[in-house]
Amino acid sequence: EVQLVESGGGLVQPGRSLKLSCAASGFTFSDYNMAWVRQAPKKGLEWVATIIYDGSRTYYRDSVKGRFTISRDNAKSTLYLQMDSLRSEDTATYYCATQNSGYGNWFAYWGQGTLVTVSS
Amino acid sequence: DTVLTQSPALAVSPGERVTISCRASESVSTLMHWYQQKPGQQPKLLIYLASHLESGVPARFSGSGSGTDFTLTIDPVEADDTATYYCQQSWNDPWTFGGGTKLELK
Repeated sequence: EVQLVESGGGLVQPGRSLKLSCAASGFTFSDYNMAWVRQAPKKGLEWVATIIYDGSRTYYRDSVKGRFTISRDNAKSTLYLQMDSLRSEDTATYYCATQNSGYGNWFAYWGQGTLVTVSS
Repeated sequence: DTVLTQSPALAVSPGERVTISCRASESVSTLMHWYQQKPGQQPKLLIYLASHLESGVPARFSGSGSGTDFTLTIDPVEADDTATYYCQQSWNDPWTFGGGTKLELK
């Protein structure tokens, strides 16, 4: 059974940093592209970042470029999101998800999410 | 960015057929996918590449469309289908989601 378990969320002041983790199990982690998708309170879904299966390439939405860094440790089957210079508009539940590595780029499996609140 | 427009809400009775629409601001070919999100839960993939049913998803769910107009159909609707449904495109960068359609059962 595929399992994705996020951790690291919490309350943080604007301008500070936070690092999220996503522990994967039940599948061959190193075979999959991985992504972070967020959802602001009572709002819709928003793709944040993607990392290729071997970590060789990363992609970000414009609003987080230069502030967020997605990375992975295939030996530990763990995905990360380093978030720096946080803003109030980054407040959201952050989900990690598997992303189809071939044609299509859909998000097949999702974790339960971790809430990040940016507030003074 | 490619904007995906969905109707905000629908209300149907159990046993009926419901269609949820998603219109893209530009063509996305058939790179459209659908998700179901129940309150307090993570999203769940239902349909990928416009019309392909994800493994384990009931055959009551189906998808169609290409270009800019897409539809998710549930037939027949069951009480457990109460949820918000999102479309997502992966043809244009950045990948974007629709605003969601909240399905309520009468």
